[in-house]
Formats: sequence, structure tokens, C-alpha cells
Amino acid sequence: AQRVTQPEKLLSVFKGAPVELKCNYSYSGSPELFWYVQYSRQRLQLLLRHISRESIKGFTADLNKGETSFHLKKPFAQEEDSAMYYCALTPQGGKLIFGQGTELSVKP
Amino acid sequence: DTAVSQTPKYLVTQMGNDKSIKCEQNLGHDTMYWYKQDSKKFLKIMFSYNNKELIINETVPNRFSPKSPDKAHLNLHINSLELGDSAVYFCASSRTGSSSEAFFGQGTRLTVV
Repeated sequence: AQRVTQPEKLLSVFKGAPVELKCNYSYSGSPELFWYVQYSRQRLQLLLRHISRESIKGFTADLNKGETSFHLKKPFAQEEDSAMYYCALTPQGGKLIFGQGTELSVKP
Repeated sequence: DTAVSQTPKYLVTQMGNDKSIKCEQNLGHDTMYWYKQDSKKFLKIMFSYNNKELIINETVPNRFSPKSPDKAHLNLHINSLELGDSAVYFCASSRTGSSSEAFFGQGTRLTVV
């Protein structure tokens, strides 16, 4: 079965603290994995994808096939990082299978 | 210029009514989608069209009927609305290919009373 799991519904950290949003997936083939973000009152948008191996807004994510994980990390959280974060998998046909989402709250 | 636009942004209607949500993209993408976000913020795909042809139809009641008059438009028509249809509906588009970024509309918040 194709599935994406984000175990934390809400993650609350203080500004400047490290943050890690967990994502585990279940897929038999070679996955394409993404992180999408939805800031308050804005549309869902791509944050990063695993094939790019890039850092966006200080966030990185490494695909670990052994642990079937794609955790999103940032060493020093900022208040403007507060948003809803979705991990997603694309098996085929371009459709996105989303995790349940994690709401990140960064407190001053 | 808005890349993916949906109308209306908010829709409040009574049970049993029929309503439509429109979506247009000006990115030249050939694949469009409808996603549903429930009250717990869980996002799930409903339909996907590629060049006006239906390619993904998840387990969705047949009261929901997508229509794609051309590859820049994908509308969603819902018959006999039920309370459980209340959700935020997102339209999205992408180029064909699994690694392509999906661009989302701002969402339509549907409330059935």
C-alpha cells in the first residue's frame, strides 16, 4: 500500500531551536518525495523535493530508503516558519499522496 | 498573475443543492487535479485529468463529476450536496511527470448546512 505517515499533528518549538518534522512512507517502488507548506491564508506550495537535494529557507530533507523516511529539518526555527507542513509521495501519474500534515508553531 | 485560480473562494449552500466549483490555470500544464481537505486538514486526491482525459478517479461518490472543457480548465460539479461534503477543495496543476511540482489554487471552502 502507498502511504505517507506524519506522526505529529502539532509541533511547537521556540524561536532558534532545532526542528524536525517526521515523515515515513510506504511504497514498493522508487519514490518521489516532497514537502509542501501552507502558510496561514496562503495556498499550498512546494517547499522542497528529494531529487533536488537542495536547502530551501534553511530546511533540508534527506531520503533514507532503509528507514523509509524523509524527515524535514531546520537547525534554527524562525517565527515565520509557523505553518502546516505536508509530506507527499508521488507513485505514478503525478498524483500526490499526502501525509496527515504537521502544524509547526514557532514561539518567540 | 494568478497561476491557478478557483472560484468561488467560499460557498455556503443547503443540503440537496447542486453546485459547481471552477478552476483555471494559465501555466500551460497538461495535468490538473482536485483534492479535498477535510476538517482535520487531511488532503486527499479526488480526480486527475491529463489533456482533458480522466486518468485518476479515486473512490469518490458519483455525485461528484469533474469536467474539463480544455486542458486549462477543470471544473467540479457536485450533485445533491450532503453535510459530509463540507470541506476545502483544492485545484492543482502540473506538467506531466512524477517529479513535477504541483501548483495549487487558493482553495474553495464549501459549507453545507
